[in-house]
Amino acid sequence: DAGITQSPRHKVTETGTPVTLRCHQTENHRYMYWYRQDPGHGLRLIHYSYGVKDTDKGEVSDGYSVSRSKTEDFLLTLESATSSQTSVYFCAISEATGNYGYTFGSGTRLTVV
Amino acid sequence: AQSVTQPDIHITVSEGASLELRCNYSYGATPYLFWYVQSPGQGLQLLLKYFSGDTLVQGIKGFEAEFKRSQSSFNLRKPSVHWSDAAEYFCAVVPNYGQNFVFGPGTRLSVLP
Repeated sequence: DAGITQSPRHKVTETGTPVTLRCHQTENHRYMYWYRQDPGHGLRLIHYSYGVKDTDKGEVSDGYSVSRSKTEDFLLTLESATSSQTSVYFCAISEATGNYGYTFGSGTRLTVV
Repeated sequence: AQSVTQPDIHITVSEGASLELRCNYSYGATPYLFWYVQSPGQGLQLLLKYFSGDTLVQGIKGFEAEFKRSQSSFNLRKPSVHWSDAAEYFCAVVPNYGQNFVFGPGTRLSVLP
């Protein structure tokens, strides 16, 4: 989507290696989110950020960490990737909480072998 | 447990036929309700949302949804499906203002020519 990009789009990594996914926005939105999408589960929230250096956990945060050192970038790190973290990861941005006008990125497909 | 359910994993309809995708939720109060569509390899796009007021909500691409409090449902409808509507559809709920989304597992729609 315009204004939000995710990188890389695809990645294959080995079990036990660290992995960082990047979400970059040009909309100057305050809120940013990381979701994972798995068949039969829809999207589940991993972590979110409500400002620079302000982050909080979602429902499936175990094994993931995030950082937001500037408004435009929200990084998701898998410290030691496991096969259960094979998934499609989506970033979303929102101007304000409550209006739920989320814009989603195109996703990163991560395979852990 | 509180949840969002979409009973149909996969639906196939013929082009030009009508469509109804089901969504039920199990939250006590009336939550905020949403339908998103995801085309292959893409992020999610908002079709429509319900916060309050008229229980029949119009969205983009000719979709509409009806909120039925007595049935805890928010079903998505379209009178005449086009081949380009083939995608995955997600119902999402925000249980209370300020909380994060809870997504249903999704319904994949196939359209026959």
